Amino acid sequence: QSVLTQPPSVSGAPGQRVTISCTGSSSNIGAGYDVHWYHQLPGTAPKLLIYGNSNRPSGVPDRFSGSKSGTSASLAITGLQAEDEADYYCQSYDSSLSGSVFGGGTKLTVL
Amino acid sequence: EVQLVESGGDLIQPGRSLRLSCAASGFTFEDYAMHWVRQAPGKGLEWVSGISWKSDDIGYADSVKGRFTISRDNAKNSLYLQMNSLREEDTALYYCAKDSGYHLIGSYCDYWGQGTLVTVSS
Repeated sequence: QSVLTQPPSVSGAPGQRVTISCTGSSSNIGAGYDVHWYHQLPGTAPKLLIYGNSNRPSGVPDRFSGSKSGTSASLAITGLQAEDEADYYCQSYDSSLSGSVFGGGTKLTVL
Repeated sequence: EVQLVESGGDLIQPGRSLRLSCAASGFTFEDYAMHWVRQAPGKGLEWVSGISWKSDDIGYADSVKGRFTISRDNAKNSLYLQMNSLREEDTALYYCAKDSGYHLIGSYCDYWGQGTLVTVSS
């Protein structure tokens, strides 16, 4: 099991809004460490999507947004598009493990 | 343009050793921490190891601690991963990733290579 827990899959119709949760603990997200999000299209390397809980790198549409509260974080995608179909991962730092940790990943299906 | 090119992946028997390399370009390599992240076939991402800009802070996942060693050569703009006592569960695509800063705590990977495949099988 991953240190950060994500739902295995989410789905939504084009134009809809979906959210992906990332639940941690007091040694990672709850300790105040930032949460970052990546997406990975099939057969490609991961790409940074959100950093520092809610910041978008240049080039990432504002349809993608991140938030963090307590021991959890969320990624929201509005105006769902077919090209959003990918795997999404959250990542943070864990003080007990003295290293980075990833969520197990969430597969987004656009219906 | 930031480029990270991994090499060294191979089909190797359990118990043997392998050294991965990552050639970096397009940024000032010595100013940034670096990471190795792996992905087993059909599975999610797993952070393997990270090294700070001056190599004074190094971390490993519990799954590889004592078997893998990360290192870097700032003069050669290169990152390495020495993998010893390989196990079948180490089979994965190994990504080299650039950190957003110079230390390991609380940071993120802003650029990734395309990965090099390590297959551990008898």
